[in-house]
Amino acid sequence: DGGITQSPKYLFRKEGQNVTLSCEQNLNHDAMYWYRQDPGQGLRLIYYSQIVNDFQKGDIAEGYSVSREKKESFPLTVTSAQKNPTAFYLCASSVGIWDRGYEQYFGPGTRLTVT
Amino acid sequence: DQQVKQNSPSLSVQEGRISILNCDYTNSMFDYFLWYKKYPAEGPTFLISISSIKDKNEDGRFTVFLNKSAKHLSLHIVPSQPGDSAVYFCAATDYSGNTPLVFGKGTRLSVIA
Repeated sequence: DGGITQSPKYLFRKEGQNVTLSCEQNLNHDAMYWYRQDPGQGLRLIYYSQIVNDFQKGDIAEGYSVSREKKESFPLTVTSAQKNPTAFYLCASSVGIWDRGYEQYFGPGTRLTVT
Repeated sequence: DQQVKQNSPSLSVQEGRISILNCDYTNSMFDYFLWYKKYPAEGPTFLISISSIKDKNEDGRFTVFLNKSAKHLSLHIVPSQPGDSAVYFCAATDYSGNTPLVFGKGTRLSVIA
């Protein structure tokens, strides 16, 4: 089945620790995205990548880092510099920003709780 | 500065009646619009879209209307069903190909049986 997987579903970390969230897609999509959802805030873009080995900051990139070494993988690291990391994190992909692949397909999300 | 606004955080509708969810945008460069539906603890799923060359797009019970002069779009669900209860996000982009989707904050729809 084609789709996007995010693991784990729930993640707990102590304050001050870095944590990496996994995102894998087998849709052969060029573009991948990370969003954060907080209550009443909608979806806020953290980082996005249009192609392998290239990525751009979104609206709230501070305290996060990403890599795109493989087309199918776009892991997000939440660093200790992120002041309020507890949130629901969503990964998405689309055919390609350039190819009118506007429709984004989302993974099931990871709920990160930092205490 | 919010470029895509969904001014109603929540909406309650009786089963069988029409649900109307509204979305306003400020960026005149936007020319492609999408609606997503999201259940709790799940990722959003694509529902319906419309490009600026149209003023209406219909898919089953779902219809999206676009009023470019007012920079306004709406999603109509007829008839509403309890399974439609979810958060609905409006999103917009432009045909430049370099802009990721910009999402609104969402409207929580509750369909009451």
